[in-house]
Amino acid sequence: DSGVTQTPKHLITATGQRVTLRCSPRSGDLSVYWYQQSLDQGLQFLIQYYNGEERAKGNILERFSAQQFPDLHSELNLSSLELGDSALYFCASSVTNLRGGDGYGYTFGSGTRLTVV
Amino acid sequence: GQNIDQPTEMTATEGAIVQINCTYQTSGFNGLFWYQQHAGEAPTFLSYNVLDGLEEKGRFSSFLSRSKGYSYLLLKELQMKDSASYLCAVRLFDRGSTLGRLYFGRGTQLTVWP
Repeated sequence: DSGVTQTPKHLITATGQRVTLRCSPRSGDLSVYWYQQSLDQGLQFLIQYYNGEERAKGNILERFSAQQFPDLHSELNLSSLELGDSALYFCASSVTNLRGGDGYGYTFGSGTRLTVV
Repeated sequence: GQNIDQPTEMTATEGAIVQINCTYQTSGFNGLFWYQQHAGEAPTFLSYNVLDGLEEKGRFSSFLSRSKGYSYLLLKELQMKDSASYLCAVRLFDRGSTLGRLYFGRGTQLTVWP
């Protein structure tokens, strides 16, 4: 157990639907990162939150949104789902808040496998 | 943007040594990470380099040359359980930011044969 908890582990839904993926970071970690991993794209950075605030966006579609709550858990909302959204979605957390201060601090959850049919 | 390149596939035999290369072109570089990922599982941390040189950790070593934008992961005494995808990732800081994030290459699928 890495200490990063993601739910659900598996999700099957139809095109056009909306789903919410949940992530609880490791205790003490303030940063949460969301990644998408599909077979042909590798791990793609989607979005980063730090202590409740959005800090960076990567290749995140407008149909996707996220937030981090006061208790530091995060949710990734995926709407108007398409077949191409089928992928593994990983959450990672880190304690980083100082430039260069963390050497090892990115821990991944076990992921949510989303299948859109 | 970031450009991180690593070979797609490699094969080796048990007991051998394999070197997985990674080249990158980025701005705001602040460290290079290697992760191991078995199919369908979470990436797990292997090594981290922020300064030039070699970091050794048991059967695994990682090397970094910042001037060349180059790193490699060296795996010695290969075992069947080392069959996995190996992900090279660079940590980038935005200008003026104290926070970073990881950007990954597409991974190198290593198959270890008996």
